[in-house]
Amino acid sequence: AQTVTQSQPEMSVQEAETVTLSCTYDTSESDYYLFWYKQPPSRQMILVIRQEAYKQQNATENRFSVNFQKAAKSFSLKISDSQLGDAAMYFCAYRGYGNKLVFGAGTILRVKS
Amino acid sequence: GAVVSQHPSWVICKSGTSVKIECRSLDFQATTMFWYRQFPKQSLMLMATSNEGSKATYEQGVEKDKFLINHASLTLSTLTVTSAHPEDSSFYICSARFKQNTEAFFGQGTRLTVV
Repeated sequence: AQTVTQSQPEMSVQEAETVTLSCTYDTSESDYYLFWYKQPPSRQMILVIRQEAYKQQNATENRFSVNFQKAAKSFSLKISDSQLGDAAMYFCAYRGYGNKLVFGAGTILRVKS
Repeated sequence: GAVVSQHPSWVICKSGTSVKIECRSLDFQATTMFWYRQFPKQSLMLMATSNEGSKATYEQGVEKDKFLINHASLTLSTLTVTSAHPEDSSFYICSARFKQNTEAFFGQGTRLTVV
């Protein structure tokens, strides 16, 4: 079975600074997708960024980028120029052949002004 | 992205009663819907997967007679918590996707409190 591990229960970042959230996963599948979701206090799940495993190029969405290391099974999220609105719970997720999302435990991100 | 609407946003019910939560895809036909449960400050745990017109597939440890899932149309799935007890109090989230290997979109969740 696939597993997703987020080893940082909480992280803090100063406004306008950069922060990196860690995620590792375990799988024997060769074709899969990785995601980062944001869950603000409203608890609405918001897709931040997606990476297809067959793509070597790291995905980027504005201030959000990933460092995808397939051999190491690592998928970290970098948030640049952090804003107060980035404060949320962030979940790393995996989707493979079973087409079900497997979530990590989550990382609470606090942004200090 | 597509819109998935979940109703109600919150509900309080008495122990022993049943409560129904609806999940609707508003602007696309959802062939598959997923139901999750989330405890405070914890991750989302998949409860079941439902495909339109067929019986739901439940994850290990989830009581199918307790959590009844119906996916009668391409835009609506319902989760009924039967004979609710305080330990069923939780945040329930649905997601829906158009077809396999496409992105799933999430509803806003339902906070259930059983008193």
